Amino acid sequence: NAGVTQTPKFQVLKTGQSMTLQCAQDMNHNSMYWYRQDPGMGLRLIYYSASEGTTDKGEVPNGYNVSRLNKREFSLRLESAAPSQTSVYFCASSEVNSPNYEQYFGPGTRLTVT
Amino acid sequence: GESVGLHLPTLSVQEGDNSIINCAYSNSASDYFIWYKQESGKGPQFIIDIRSNMDKRQGQRVTVLLNKTVKHLSLQIAATQPGDSAVYFCAESANTGGFKTIFGAGTRLFVKA
Repeated sequence: NAGVTQTPKFQVLKTGQSMTLQCAQDMNHNSMYWYRQDPGMGLRLIYYSASEGTTDKGEVPNGYNVSRLNKREFSLRLESAAPSQTSVYFCASSEVNSPNYEQYFGPGTRLTVT
Repeated sequence: GESVGLHLPTLSVQEGDNSIINCAYSNSASDYFIWYKQESGKGPQFIIDIRSNMDKRQGQRVTVLLNKTVKHLSLQIAATQPGDSAVYFCAESANTGGFKTIFGAGTRLFVKA
């Protein structure tokens, strides 16, 4: 039982390049989330998927797109990377999309945009 | 406590002492609170939670206290160990008909051997 896995662990992009961050969970959770974490700040929600087939914007969705590929997988795409998107990205999952349910986090992807 | 900006508040304690980490939350409608631990290079890990109808909850070596009057949350770690060194942050959630969880910036705990 690996929990939440993310690939890649590290990535360096040039401004304007695109990439997709992958996330998978093996806990049969319904809900999945993408966050970014910047130095000295708390996690900020980018997008979430309450259940397979649905996605919704979070607090900071601009510049990102997501795909809930199936129940296990939730990917985050940067179509045209900008230096402001340099951050650590965390994927999380929870049994249901309710604030009262614990979220389980992946190890993170450290992205640098030059 | 909470922090905005580039530098996290830091707490340094001696191994074996008790640690108290504080958090001020913002939304009086928040009804669920969680403490997370984040070790270097890893994702956040759930430690303990508390609902707004409680003012204290205990786990293994950890206790969370909630003071709704002043919107304050604290995490107490008993007999702090080197393995407790990490960033700790609180999160508050409100059941407002949609997903709404706000994470604090965190406090860095150093444990001196």
